[in-house]
Amino acid sequence: GEDVEQSLFLSVREGDSSVINCTYTDSSSTYLYWYKQEPGAGLQLLTYIFSNMDMKQDQRLTVLLNKKDKHLSLRIADTQTGDSAIYFCAESKGYSTLTFGKGTMLLVSP
Amino acid sequence: GAVVSQHPSRVICKSGTSVKIECRSLDFQATTMFWYRQFPKQSLMLMATSNEGSKATYEQGVEKDKFLINHASLTLSTLTVTSAHPEDSSFYICSARSRPGQLDEQYFGPGTRLTVT
Repeated sequence: GEDVEQSLFLSVREGDSSVINCTYTDSSSTYLYWYKQEPGAGLQLLTYIFSNMDMKQDQRLTVLLNKKDKHLSLRIADTQTGDSAIYFCAESKGYSTLTFGKGTMLLVSP
Repeated sequence: GAVVSQHPSRVICKSGTSVKIECRSLDFQATTMFWYRQFPKQSLMLMATSNEGSKATYEQGVEKDKFLINHASLTLSTLTVTSAHPEDSSFYICSARSRPGQLDEQYFGPGTRLTVT
């Protein structure tokens, strides 16, 4: 079956870069997403990447995709305390449901 | 941007009672809405997918008679937890997809915290 795995926790200092990693098993995944969830809130789509892309950059966010290894990463440059949240990796086949990882809690200390 | 609201944001109910949670797309028409359940420190688990005007499709293991879903209009879906029990306590999140056949860009509601005592 489909499976998405993430490390559970990451702690960084303000101003450093954060890298959150994700692996998935379904080679037919078409889209891969990163969502952010702040405490007690719903999910906010941060960015997504189509499976035929290797990299996507959007301001402080850089997504890298290694399709061969089924590995996705999210790099946040110049991490701020406001970036502290849970980050979910998710995959879909385009027009179907999303499969989420368990989320990585990012803690940014001043 | 696309906004999805949920009501109520928090609800506490007694065991055996039923609770209705509303999910609304405020500035777009949602042909498909999804209901998720999230346990503490866990991922979102998809419960069901509902398309406007048709019966919801439930994921394996989700009791359709316990979690009643109605998607009566393009902007409103409701989830009713019937005869709630303490094990139903959870964070329920809905999402809506605006354009059928497009990228799976789902817009998420803020969630509803259900506590059953």
